[in-house]
Amino acid sequence: EAQVTQNPRYLITVTGKKLTVTCSQNMNHEYMSWYRQDPGLGLRQIYYSMNVEVTDKGDVPEGYKVSRKEKRNFPLILESPSPNQTSLYFCASSHTPGQGIYGYTFGSGTRLTVV
Amino acid sequence: AQSVTQLGSHVSVSEGALVLLRCNYSSSVPPYLFWYVQYPNQGLQLLLKYTSAATLVKGINGFEAEFKKSETSFHLTKPSAHMSDAAEYFCAVSDPRFSGGYNKLIFGAGTRLAVHP
Repeated sequence: EAQVTQNPRYLITVTGKKLTVTCSQNMNHEYMSWYRQDPGLGLRQIYYSMNVEVTDKGDVPEGYKVSRKEKRNFPLILESPSPNQTSLYFCASSHTPGQGIYGYTFGSGTRLTVV
Repeated sequence: AQSVTQLGSHVSVSEGALVLLRCNYSSSVPPYLFWYVQYPNQGLQLLLKYTSAATLVKGINGFEAEFKKSETSFHLTKPSAHMSDAAEYFCAVSDPRFSGGYNKLIFGAGTRLAVHP
């Protein structure tokens, strides 16, 4: 089944404790992206990657890091989480524009609480 | 800069009634437009998309949307609401000119649809 898999689904952590949220897709998509969803704000892009070893900042990158060493994986790293990073996070992937506009395939989300 | 405005953060309809969820965008060129649905505790699922072909776009679950350039709108409709349509709906826009963030979607704030018996 074609899908984007995120782990964990739920995570409670303390301020300053480094964490990684994993994202993996099995559709051979070139493009991957991380969004955070907050009430009344919709989804805002954190980082994106056009292909392996090619990443760039989105609209709200502060406090986050990403890497793209393999095509299928795009982990989100919070090196020193703070309470304002409490949010619902989504990983998404799609083919590149040259193959048409397909829209995104989303993961099921990771609900992160930083206390 | 592109932006998306969804009028009404909450919409409530009776089962069997018309569903109308409003979306207006700002863009200097005709964009690509999308509607996504999010059911509780799930990720977002693509309902339909407009990519400069037919202006009336049909999607899954009986939903459709019409691109109106003169009104910069892309409202989502369904003739008859079902209880299973209760969810949050997001309108999103993508600008085909931006090569760096070509696939970047800009989302509206979302509209939560409630369907009551």
